[in-house]
Amino acid sequence: GAVVSQHPSWVICKSGTSVKIECRSLDFQATTMFWYRQFPKQSLMLMATSNEGSKATYEQGVEKDKFLINHASLTLSTLTVTSAHPEDSSFYICSARDDGGWRMNTEAFFGQGTRLTVV
Amino acid sequence: QKEVEQDPGPLSVPEGAIVSLNCTYSNSAFQYFMWYRQYSRKGPELLMYTYSSGNKEDGRFTAQVDKSSKYISLFIRDSQPSDSATYLCAFNRLAFGKGNQVVVIP
Repeated sequence: GAVVSQHPSWVICKSGTSVKIECRSLDFQATTMFWYRQFPKQSLMLMATSNEGSKATYEQGVEKDKFLINHASLTLSTLTVTSAHPEDSSFYICSARDDGGWRMNTEAFFGQGTRLTVV
Repeated sequence: QKEVEQDPGPLSVPEGAIVSLNCTYSNSAFQYFMWYRQYSRKGPELLMYTYSSGNKEDGRFTAQVDKSSKYISLFIRDSQPSDSATYLCAFNRLAFGKGNQVVVIP
């Protein structure tokens, strides 16, 4: 089946530093990828939709200057948390939509997530 | 009113029992209904999806959608310890329930 690889799976960083998280579709092309964050015992919250070759679309309340998204190729999207603070500590998950999926709105596969801890 | 309501549980059942999970939603524009399974510290895995009212079966799993009542359900028959996970309902991949933790006791 389709695989989405997310790296790193966990990271600890100092307050004020930046962290980059990668999301790769390994065996399919993904024009569209999605970034979510999930707090403990909470649901997934869509942060932004990443589109290859164009600017990401951010959900209301998500700071685009803080969460930089780059989708430079059909298989890679990156999320950079800039000037991270302890309140940014969370589980970040990406998903990628298979361009070749015949059910365009449902063929989305999740990465394994990245647990970010800012100290 | 929240867009999606899902009782977080936890729900403990003995092995072999039927697990019944459900979500209600308020946005009538939702067209796609999905259930994801998420193991601890892992990303969600798509279990089932549907885009119409009615039942859809896949092995031991049955997804049920009632658009008129804005209510979806997931049933797991002959539950196994490996089914122990958090199950999230999702709508159009934009709105997720909080997840319902299920524990199947051997």
